[in-house]
Amino acid sequence: EADIYQTPRYLVIGTGKKITLECSQTMGHDKMYWYQQDPGMELHLIHYSYGVNSTEKGDLSSESTVSRIRTEHFPLTLESARPSHTSQYLCASSDRGNYGYTFGSGTRLTVV
Amino acid sequence: QQQVKQSPQSLIVQKGGIPIINCAYENTAFDYFPWYQQFPGKGPALLIAIRPDVSEKKEGRFTISFNKSAKQFSLHIMDSQPGDSATYFCASQGGYQKVTFGTGTKLQVIP
Repeated sequence: EADIYQTPRYLVIGTGKKITLECSQTMGHDKMYWYQQDPGMELHLIHYSYGVNSTEKGDLSSESTVSRIRTEHFPLTLESARPSHTSQYLCASSDRGNYGYTFGSGTRLTVV
Repeated sequence: QQQVKQSPQSLIVQKGGIPIINCAYENTAFDYFPWYQQFPGKGPALLIAIRPDVSEKKEGRFTISFNKSAKQFSLHIMDSQPGDSATYFCASQGGYQKVTFGTGTKLQVIP
């Protein structure tokens, strides 16, 4: 079944640790996105990619980085986690001919 | 940055009521207007979408009304049920552009 997968679902880590949030999709979508969502609900775009080897920063400044080496894989990395990074991170994808976004279930990150 | 203004921020209705969520956009180049539904612990899921060449679209109990001249669109949920309790996001998109999301409406349907 075509879908988009995020791992881990929940993560609690200490300050200063390096972490990578994984996102993979099986739909062959060209475009992929990372959003940050706090309890206040609003979705903030932090990174996006329109294809392999293409990455751009989003509307919200973020200390994270992304890579797109394979179409199906779009990991997000925090080199040194801080408590201010505590949030929910949502990955999404879309096909060039289909405007709708497919979201993963998210990673709830807590930095202590 | 082009915005999509969504209201209300939260909404409580009785079961069977018809909650209405409104959105207004600025960019006349937008040509796709989806609504997403998000349950706690899940990512948003595409619920229903409309193109600006029609004024209304219905899918089951969900209806989008679209007013191109006013640059506004709204979501109506007929015969609302407790299972409809979720956060709803409107969005707008044009061409190859990224989606612009509204700020979200938390809906609670009480029995």
